[in-house]
Amino acid sequence: KAGVTQTPRYLIKTRGQQVTLSCSPISGHRSVSWYQQTPGQGLQFLFEYFSETQRNKGNFPGRFSGRQFSNSRSEMNVSTLELGDSALYLCASSSGSNEQFFGPGTRLTVL
Amino acid sequence: QKEVEQDPGPLSVPEGAIVSLNCTYSNSAFQYFMWYRQYSRKGPELLMYTYSSGNKEDGRFTAQVDKSSKYISLFIRDSQPSDSATYLCALSGGFQKLVFGTGTRLLVSP
Repeated sequence: KAGVTQTPRYLIKTRGQQVTLSCSPISGHRSVSWYQQTPGQGLQFLFEYFSETQRNKGNFPGRFSGRQFSNSRSEMNVSTLELGDSALYLCASSSGSNEQFFGPGTRLTVL
Repeated sequence: QKEVEQDPGPLSVPEGAIVSLNCTYSNSAFQYFMWYRQYSRKGPELLMYTYSSGNKEDGRFTAQVDKSSKYISLFIRDSQPSDSATYLCALSGGFQKLVFGTGTRLLVSP
């Protein structure tokens, strides 16, 4: 069974730009969660989608948004990028049992 | 005070040693407990998942949960150099939101 895939793996953007990250969950998994990992703050929950609906949201500004498609694939968007948005963005999928399986992440660098 | 406390290490042990990794938490609403292993520049890999107090064993790994003390542990027997990684505890009260510890960096020397 294929694992969680994320694209792109690496991204370099400049301040003020926007970025879209993509995540394909494990086949059959309908829940997709997004996390931000930084050296200073560790892993922090961004939001979770299930059946195209956002069910839970972390404490991030509105510049961070996401969506989920009918095939469970999910995208995350960050608008008006700031230097502090440089991080590893991780996607995790779940069948709904609270076990979450992570992808390799997208490393975003904001210059 | 953070919801989940974890010693960042690094923890250095010789090959073959028994490793003990721990997390404490303050929120009694946490019902699900996980341990992840993360190698440098990789995504976290789920090692253990449990939702009750007590022990759960899987190969060289044993997860222990004490809800009354709000304390969880991961034991690694016969540690190998390939176990060198950062170990993260993750807790959830349900609804898919995981709260992570800061991670403990483990170094196993040959």
